Amino acid sequence: ELKVEQNPLFLSMQEGKNYTIYCNYSTTSDRLYWYRQDPGKSLESLFVLLSNGAVKQEGRLMASLDTKARLSTLHITAAVHDLSATYFCAVQVWYGGATNKLIFGTGTLLAVQP
Amino acid sequence: GAGVSQSPSNKVTEKGKDVELRCDPISGHTALYWYRQRLGQGLEFLIYFQGNSAPDKSGLPSDRFSAERTGESVSTLTIQRTQQEDSAVYLCASSPHGSLTDTQYFGPGTRLTVL
Repeated sequence: ELKVEQNPLFLSMQEGKNYTIYCNYSTTSDRLYWYRQDPGKSLESLFVLLSNGAVKQEGRLMASLDTKARLSTLHITAAVHDLSATYFCAVQVWYGGATNKLIFGTGTLLAVQP
Repeated sequence: GAGVSQSPSNKVTEKGKDVELRCDPISGHTALYWYRQRLGQGLEFLIYFQGNSAPDKSGLPSDRFSAERTGESVSTLTIQRTQQEDSAVYLCASSPHGSLTDTQYFGPGTRLTVL
């Protein structure tokens, strides 16, 4: 059974600080997503990582993928309050036409304190 | 353009009643997915439709859950004889082709509360 684990589950950080969220998964996959979810809202796609060594950056967020280690990271630089949300990683699984689904991690609740 | 829409946004029902949740995917998207998100948890895959192929129902938690899709448009998720553990947000997503290179676009969800 594919498992996707995130840590930490909860992260309280001060504005201006840096931190990293980790996403480990238990089987091979060449496609990993990061999503953001604000309270009471749906999911917003942040990054799609397609291959080993992929790195993508948008503003204060940077995501990377190491398929050999089955690890993705979401790095936050100089956090601001607007980044407060729950962040999910999700691994895409594909069974040759039978299924295309995402397996989600447990989520990391990020609270950025002024 | 319009995104994925879902209705109702909130549904409160009594234990034992049946409920129907609706999803309108992005126009032209052939793939449609249903997920469930329990309070404080990640999303659980429920069912996947791709064009006219047989749906992948491997994530449905029990035979009280079923889903239908009309062609490549609207889908309904039906929960019969609802139980309190069915309380969750039910999210629908669609993608252009259902291929490995697709990104899934999520709707706003339906929050189901079973009393």
